[in-house]
Amino acid sequence: EAGVAQSPRYKIIEKRQSVAFWCNPISGHATLYWYQQILGQGPKLLIQFQNNGVVDDSQLPKDRFSAERLKGVDSTLKIQPAKLEDSAVYLCASSVGVADTQYFGPGTRLTVL
Amino acid sequence: QQPVQSPQAVILREGEDAVINCSSSKALYSVHWYRQKHGEAPVFLMILLKGGEQKGHEKISASFNEKKQQSSLYLTASQLSYSGTYFCGTVYSGGGADGLTFGKGTHLIIQP
Repeated sequence: EAGVAQSPRYKIIEKRQSVAFWCNPISGHATLYWYQQILGQGPKLLIQFQNNGVVDDSQLPKDRFSAERLKGVDSTLKIQPAKLEDSAVYLCASSVGVADTQYFGPGTRLTVL
Repeated sequence: QQPVQSPQAVILREGEDAVINCSSSKALYSVHWYRQKHGEAPVFLMILLKGGEQKGHEKISASFNEKKQQSSLYLTASQLSYSGTYFCGTVYSGGGADGLTFGKGTHLIIQP
């Protein structure tokens, strides 16, 4: 069974630029999560989708971050404009449903200069 | 409010045992344990649900004390491959969403 796929794996941009990350969850997984992991810390939830609806986006900085899951499968996370403090690994995870095991993708490492 | 993990770091010799604790000030619905190696994604170890039993496989097991809102991860006869950072992720009772709130992690180093 294929795991969670993410791209790109690495991205370097300058502050105030825009960037987008893509995630393809495990086939059949209805729930999708985006986490931000700053170096030396645990992952922090940004947004949770159930199919194509948002369940929780309370920790998403909505002035610069946006995410969508239009067809209930793939998802895109965008940052516009990026700040230095956005440098982190962005992890996508998926689960069959709410309260089930979450499986993580390899992440996208973002460096903002 | 994130769960508190202890210890922050531990160094063991191969074959020794370790216990990692995860405590919450809020009522928990479930606790999820992950291991992450440097530069890699977190790998799922096990999930413990409120009212559920202690879980384990091979030499890794975990418990969930509902009265104390605390979970412990037990690593028995540690192997070199157990090295990494261990995170507990919690889901709080009473919420509709189940995004995990992670602790700061416990760094485990196994020496030969």
